[in-house]
Amino acid sequence: QVQLVESGGGVVQPGGSLRLSCAASGFTFRNYGMNWVRQAPGKGLEWVAVISYDDGSLQYYADSVKGRFTISRDNSKSTVYLQMNTLRPEDTAVYYCAKGVAVAGTLNWFDPWGQGTLVTVSS
Amino acid sequence: DIRMTQSPSSLSASVGDRVTITCRASQGISTYLAWYQQKPGKVPKLLIYGASTLQSGVPSRFSGSRSGTDFTLTISGLQPEDVATYYCQKYNSAPLTFGGGTKVEIK
Repeated sequence: QVQLVESGGGVVQPGGSLRLSCAASGFTFRNYGMNWVRQAPGKGLEWVAVISYDDGSLQYYADSVKGRFTISRDNSKSTVYLQMNTLRPEDTAVYYCAKGVAVAGTLNWFDPWGQGTLVTVSS
Repeated sequence: DIRMTQSPSSLSASVGDRVTITCRASQGISTYLAWYQQKPGKVPKLLIYGASTLQSGVPSRFSGSRSGTDFTLTISGLQPEDVATYYCQKYNSAPLTFGGGTKVEIK
């Protein structure tokens, strides 16, 4: 079955960097767009970024992270990454990886979601 | 950017009640709307996509509809296991914005 496993979360100081990974299995990874979504403690869902299927030549970002975060993918490892730089306290959240549904699509709904990894930005 | 406004932000209803949650898009998004359910401490789960298509395995008491830029998630006969926060999400264009969420509780 489809499985998404995030890793790389932790505690980082403001201004620091962190790279999240999401290892996928159970489907042909290169055929699907992949997303990152975050949820601050006690708050709602916030979409962060999407990368297109295949070569990942298209990426889109939320305004709140544009210029600081970079999404990328390695199809040989069935893994999507989120490089987070210049982190701020307001970036503190659980970060979920989510698979786009449509084959050869980029912008679509998500299913399934990973279990999430917690990022805490604090001094 | 298109804004997604969900209402109410919370509601309390009795078991068996019909519950309606609304999501309004600030511009037209056709039927590019999904609904998710997030139970306490759990990962979000897809309920509906294309505004009204029920995801496989989701109970038939859940339904979705569209009227212009207004979208509705209906639970026909609330069950205790439906206690959760529900989110709408648009996916016609980036950013793939979520609504603010509606917390559903049992009275």
